[in-house]
Amino acid sequence: GESVGLHLPTLSVQEGDNSIINCAYSNSASDYFIWYKQESGKGPQFIIDIRSNMDKRQGQRVTVLLNKTVKHLSLQIAATQPGDSAVYFCAENGLSDKLIFGTGTRLQVFP
Amino acid sequence: KAGVTQTPRYLIKTRGQQVTLSCSPISGHRSVSWYQQTPGQGLQFLFEYFSETQRNKGNFPGRFSGRQFSNSRSEMNVSTLELGDSALYLCASSRTSGTTGELFFGEGSRLTVL
Repeated sequence: GESVGLHLPTLSVQEGDNSIINCAYSNSASDYFIWYKQESGKGPQFIIDIRSNMDKRQGQRVTVLLNKTVKHLSLQIAATQPGDSAVYFCAENGLSDKLIFGTGTRLQVFP
Repeated sequence: KAGVTQTPRYLIKTRGQQVTLSCSPISGHRSVSWYQQTPGQGLQFLFEYFSETQRNKGNFPGRFSGRQFSNSRSEMNVSTLELGDSALYLCASSRTSGTTGELFFGEGSRLTVL
């Protein structure tokens, strides 16, 4: 079946370092990918998206990389801050026009 | 501009009961999607409504149902509650239907089934 997975359930980084959160997707037909951030007690918040006709997209302090050859997606956060501590989800649109979310990676930022 | 509003935020029910959750989307958004979030399964798609019509449905039993009103507000209902239905139920709205529009999530309704 369709699935979206993450390599690491928890990522710990020091404040100021760069963070890289990885995601593997299984559906080669997916053409739209999104990263969401969920802070404790809140709903997921859109961070950045990318379409399959691109391999890189940059936002403010964040970059998403898409490697369609190996079906891999990553989120890079530059100069990680304590406010970046959250669970990060990748999602793909799959075959059935509904978003399929990964299980999430918890990012912990230490001073 | 007000965000997505979900009510109630917390509720406790017992097995066999039914529950109705409400979602008010962002003004102007016609699509409302519902997700179930649990520690073990992550975010699972329940269904999407657009202009009062169910457009897509996830792999949940028929005990899970929903509807959308003419003002785009949506409700979901779970009948004959089971312990495994304990979860955070998230509603998301967007301007367009399908998966290529940005989803705006509410803070969720946390359901505990005893």
